[in-house]
Amino acid sequence: DTAVSQTPKYLVTQMGNDKSIKCEQNLGHDTMYWYKQDSKKFLKIMFSYNNKELIINETVPNRFSPKSPDKAHLNLHINSLELGDSAVYFCASSQGVGPRNEQYFGPGTRLTVT
Amino acid sequence: AQSVTQLDSQVPVFEEAPVELRCNYSSSVSVYLFWYVQYPNQGLQLLLKYLSGSTLVKGINGFEAEFNKSQTSFHLRKPSVHISDTAEYFCAVSEVIQGAQKLVFGQGTRLTINP
Repeated sequence: DTAVSQTPKYLVTQMGNDKSIKCEQNLGHDTMYWYKQDSKKFLKIMFSYNNKELIINETVPNRFSPKSPDKAHLNLHINSLELGDSAVYFCASSQGVGPRNEQYFGPGTRLTVT
Repeated sequence: AQSVTQLDSQVPVFEEAPVELRCNYSSSVSVYLFWYVQYPNQGLQLLLKYLSGSTLVKGINGFEAEFNKSQTSFHLRKPSVHISDTAEYFCAVSEVIQGAQKLVFGQGTRLTINP
């Protein structure tokens, strides 16, 4: 069974469109994250949710809106897509918010904006 | 804010040779360090972590890392690599921001194993 899953795996769309990426974890974790990996493989956190509440928002444009309907799901909606949004987006989860926790990553969603 | 520097963007190695991937972090009172591996077209998987205690940490797939506080380093090593170790390796430091864990990653090191 996949611990952290994301859909879709690939997403190709045009500038200006709105798209969503879904994430689900079956590990029973209470904290979930979204990361962005750019074309140079650099990984940076975007958002963190704990018990469905937003706790980290790393100065991401407000075109990006995460939503957590329950502790097992964290979706990412992106409005008015731009070329610079092309990247691989990873969802992750952990148990708790402490600095010692291991984060479990999903397989990623490769977003290409044309 | 903490930062991580991975000194090599690419490391080519022959199969069965030893390898060391270098990582330096910015100094802090409490340091929690992680190495993650990303195989092609996959997500990240934890190799090992240093939280406290012994400075030599053993992880999966025969990897180990040594925490060196005086040199602010956390280098990853493997005595004999295999073709299957070809991947991107990320060093990360964990900190608490706004009451939540934040992983700060290095730029990654691409390990390529040649037969």
